[in-house]
Amino acid sequence: DAGITQSPRHKVTETGTPVTLRCHQTENHRYMYWYRQDPGHGLRLIHYSYGVKDTDKGEVSDGYSVSRSKTEDFLLTLESATSSQTSVYFCAISTSGTVADTQYFGPGTRLTVL
Amino acid sequence: TQLLEQSPQFLSIQEGENLTVYCNSSSVFSSLQWYRQEPGEGPVLLVTVVTGGEVKKLKRLTFQFGDARKDSSLHITAAQPGDTGLYLCAGEGWDDKIIFGKGTRLHILP
Repeated sequence: DAGITQSPRHKVTETGTPVTLRCHQTENHRYMYWYRQDPGHGLRLIHYSYGVKDTDKGEVSDGYSVSRSKTEDFLLTLESATSSQTSVYFCAISTSGTVADTQYFGPGTRLTVL
Repeated sequence: TQLLEQSPQFLSIQEGENLTVYCNSSSVFSSLQWYRQEPGEGPVLLVTVVTGGEVKKLKRLTFQFGDARKDSSLHITAAQPGDTGLYLCAGEGWDDKIIFGKGTRLHILP
C-alpha cells in the first residue's frame, strides 16, 4: 500500500468555522491532489500540487485553499466552512502527473458541516 | 463540458453470473482508467487502457477500450462477493486534468 495518511478521518464542525485537512505521504511523489466525493457527483478535483509551493485549481476550487510547504504534506483549508462542503475528501498522489499515471488514494476524511 | 457517463448506476446480481458495465463519452480520450472503491476506502487503480481497441484482462475482469477511444467496458466473469464495490472510470479532461465518471455501484449476492 502507498504510504498516504489523512487526518482527521472524521470531523464535525459548524458553519463559518475554519477547517484544515492534512494529507501526508511517505512516497516522495511529486504530485498531490485533493478530491471531494459526493453522491450523484462522483469524484471531483479541488486542487492539486506539482511540487513544493506549486499548486493549481481543479474543477471545484471555490471556497478552498491549499498549501504545500514540504514534499510530504498537502493541506486543504476551508476558510469558512459551509454546509455545501459536507463531503468525503480524498487525497491522492502520483509520480508524473499525467492522467495515465497511477493515482494512489488515501483513506478519506468524512467532513460534516452543521 | 467533457463527461464520462457510466451505466448502469447500480447493479445487483447473484454470485456466479456475468456482467458488463460501461463508461461512455462523446469525447475522445487519450487513455481511460478503471478504479474500484470499497466502502470506507479510497479508489484503487485496476487498469489503464491507452490504445483504441485494446483489451486487458485481470483475472476474471476484462477491460476494453473502444476503437474510437470514446468508450470503455468492464466485463466480470463469474462474479464473486469480493467484486462488490464502486467501479469508477477516469480520463483526461479538456484541461489536461483527470475527470471521473459517477461510478457503477456493484453488489454481488452470495
